[in-house]
Amino acid sequence: AQTVTQSQPEMSVQEAETVTLSCTYDTSESNYYLFWYKQPPSRQMILVIRQEAYKQQNATENRFSVNFQKAAKSFSLKISDSQLGDTAMYFCAFMILNSGNTPLVFGKGTRLSVIA
Amino acid sequence: DTAVSQTPKYLVTQMGNDKSIKCEQNLGHDTMYWYKQDSKKFLKIMFSYNNKELIINETVPNRFSPKSPDKAHLNLHINSLELGDSAVYFCASSPQGDEQYFGPGTRLTVT
Repeated sequence: AQTVTQSQPEMSVQEAETVTLSCTYDTSESNYYLFWYKQPPSRQMILVIRQEAYKQQNATENRFSVNFQKAAKSFSLKISDSQLGDTAMYFCAFMILNSGNTPLVFGKGTRLSVIA
Repeated sequence: DTAVSQTPKYLVTQMGNDKSIKCEQNLGHDTMYWYKQDSKKFLKIMFSYNNKELIINETVPNRFSPKSPDKAHLNLHINSLELGDSAVYFCASSPQGDEQYFGPGTRLTVT
């Protein structure tokens, strides 16, 4: 079974600063996706960034980037130039990539507060 | 246009009642899911349907019954509601083997 661990229940960062959220996972699969989802107070689940395990290059989306260490099974999210609108719960998620349809396995989340 | 919609967004009901939550996606995806987010914000899969066929049924009480009339709809019916059923329920859809798109969630409160 796959597990996802987020070891930081809460974090805070000053506006315009950089923050890194940690995520580790455990799997025996070789083909999978990793995701970071953001859940603001509106509770909508918003995809922030995705990483295919077969890609060595770390994914980036504007101010968001990941540090994917496959051997270490680590998938951290870096948010640069933090903005007040980044305040939210952040969930790391894992999905096996196969011919079928597999569900997401989520970590317990990190609550991020951006302080003005 | 809303990609994945759920109705209602809020549902308050008493213990013992039966209720349904509806989900519709207009993305043409083959697979739909129901997730439960508990009071500690933990998200866990409940069910997965592919082209109206049940694929995944996690350890969920029999009081929960998903129904998929067509591949664009996946409804969740809950019988004999209990206090512990209070949670946010998310519907999601995906094309085969790709990222999932979530609905806005339904906050169920059982009193």
